[in-house]
Amino acid sequence: GESVGLHLPTLSVQEGDNSIINCAYSNSASDYFIWYKQESGKGPQFIIDIRSNMDKRQGQRVTVLLNKTVKHLSLQIAATQPGDSAVYFCAENILSGGSYIPTFGRGTSLIVHP
Amino acid sequence: ETGVTQTPRHLVMGMTNKKSLKCEQHLGHNAMYWYKQSAKKPLELMFVYSLEERVENNSVPSRFSPECPNSSHLFLHLHTLQPEDSALYLCASSPKQSPYGYTFGSGTRLTVV
Repeated sequence: GESVGLHLPTLSVQEGDNSIINCAYSNSASDYFIWYKQESGKGPQFIIDIRSNMDKRQGQRVTVLLNKTVKHLSLQIAATQPGDSAVYFCAENILSGGSYIPTFGRGTSLIVHP
Repeated sequence: ETGVTQTPRHLVMGMTNKKSLKCEQHLGHNAMYWYKQSAKKPLELMFVYSLEERVENNSVPSRFSPECPNSSHLFLHLHTLQPEDSALYLCASSPKQSPYGYTFGSGTRLTVV
């Protein structure tokens, strides 16, 4: 079946480094993607999104890249800080019957060492 | 606070108990959702309510019973649960049934003993 997956369950980086979290998706009909951050004891929080007609979108210290050819999504965090330590999820959204149906990946745990 | 409030934050219940989880949002959203988050598994969508009408039920066992009395409140009634139902239960809401403006609560950590 269709699925969203993450390549690495855990990513450890040093403070100040750049972080890259990857996500593979398999449903070519997905047209909207979201990255979420989930800190311990909290629910997922929206970070950044991208539509399928774009290949790059930038936010504050974060950049999302979309490669539709290989069905790959990545989240880049510049100058990673200890406060960035969390689990990061990607979600693909498919328009079905007039409504969007989200599918979430398993998550990558980002650990930032001071 | 995200604007979506879930209570209780933690719940321990026996397999013969009946309990309810509550979710409340004052964001003016029309759609509300229940998700199950288990360790090492993706978020699983359980139920979707749009304008207080259930529009999706993802093959969830009948021991989970949702209720949406109005667009601001969502409940998940639990009875005769199994230990494998232990998980973090997340509520979310959105302006309408779409991923835009999706807002999650902090969840209820449920342990079934």
